[in-house]
Amino acid sequence: DAKTTQPNSMESNEEEPVHLPCNHSTISGTDYIHWYRQLPSQGPEYVIHGLTSNVNNRMASLAIAEDRKSSTLILHRATLRDAAVYYCILRGRETSGSRLTFGEGTQLTVNP
Amino acid sequence: ETGVTQSPTHLIKTRGQQVTLRCSSQSGHNTVSWYQQALGQGPQFIFQYYREEENGRGNFPPRFSGLQFPNYSSELNVNALELDDSALYLCASSFPGGVGYGYTFGSGTRLTVV
Repeated sequence: DAKTTQPNSMESNEEEPVHLPCNHSTISGTDYIHWYRQLPSQGPEYVIHGLTSNVNNRMASLAIAEDRKSSTLILHRATLRDAAVYYCILRGRETSGSRLTFGEGTQLTVNP
Repeated sequence: ETGVTQSPTHLIKTRGQQVTLRCSSQSGHNTVSWYQQALGQGPQFIFQYYREEENGRGNFPPRFSGLQFPNYSSELNVNALELDDSALYLCASSFPGGVGYGYTFGSGTRLTVV
């Protein structure tokens, strides 16, 4: 599986935008970029995914670099409820596509 | 739409015992996966079931086994429990082969082996 690199931790203030980076320099042409988050004492929660174009949904936006070697998850207005570990995951179409390979993720702290 | 439900939420077992964890998939999902999450780490893939057959397995020994039932619910069985098996066990369901779809996770079963 292609590897992703994320900062161990980030901090933000409530109601400010948050940009969570992810590097994936070995991404293949058919790998999708998925983001999950895990709140304390809960299972991971799907956030967003994309292939080449930027994506928006009710939870967040995903900005994908033109060369696809990096991406950024954007929370437009952080709330205290957004404090979680955020995982950037690559999913390919091969047999490994059936699994999610989690790294250590980014621990996001949101200050009131 | 119901999510993924897991039972029990917490469990304490003695080393050498066997344990069965249960999972009900989200409505409409026929693929279920199991993950093990040790404290402070990301979840690790154990295996996946589709149409009652295992169709993917991570780096876990054979004493970790599973079942999927016709209603798409699933069980994870662990034999000969070891202290290192203490972890949060997560079940996730999705549509099959869906790299373009997200997984829905349950809240997990916290297993403690003493």
